[in-house]
Amino acid sequence: QSALTQPPSASGSPGQSVTISCTGTSSDVGGYNFVSWYQQHPGKAPKLMIYEVIKRPSGVPDRFSGSKSGTTASLTVSGLQAEDEADYYCCSYAGNRLIFGGGTKLTVL
Amino acid sequence: EVQLAESGGVLVKPGGSLRLSCAASGFTFNSAWMSWVRQGPGKGLEWVGRINPKAGGERADYAALVRGRFIISRDDSQSTVYLQMNNLEIEDTAVYYCTTYGSGSFMAWGQGTLVTVSS
Repeated sequence: QSALTQPPSASGSPGQSVTISCTGTSSDVGGYNFVSWYQQHPGKAPKLMIYEVIKRPSGVPDRFSGSKSGTTASLTVSGLQAEDEADYYCCSYAGNRLIFGGGTKLTVL
Repeated sequence: EVQLAESGGVLVKPGGSLRLSCAASGFTFNSAWMSWVRQGPGKGLEWVGRINPKAGGERADYAALVRGRFIISRDDSQSTVYLQMNNLEIEDTAVYYCTTYGSGSFMAWGQGTLVTVSS
């Protein structure tokens, strides 16, 4: 079971927007609207940022948004802030199993 | 407030067994799906398995890498979910997180417990 494909790194300056992609197949990302995104700071547990492709849990800033087209999902962080610097992981339901992406390290320049 | 507290992580030899526990509070445990996710040192997140709240029948799903070696169970009277790990391999070394699960996502996370498999 292959991991979903994410770029290993992304970066942007404060105030800018950055988009992180997550590519799967028709058996996971493309087959279900159950894509989620997680933020993880060093030494901390992951935190759910987006679920069901586009939904934000209570308390997550609206600077974070999700989308999907075909077999690729995306997380966009608008108005970058220093505290957004972290690792980001996507995850997709794939029929009785869940698959994560390899993770993207977001650097705020 | 949802709280999840994992325990039981230790150093164990290859081929050994270990049971992790996760004590839950702040939500209706007996109607909640629960899941385990792990993260190897310096590596990404990996789904281990999940258990549904229904009594009887097949209640758990597992990742291929652990199926047949790991067993997830729950005690609703204690609001606790367990991960029994058998025939441990060096590659099972990781921080193991307990999570709530719903809508295809891992909603709340514990702080994690470290399992080290080494001779």
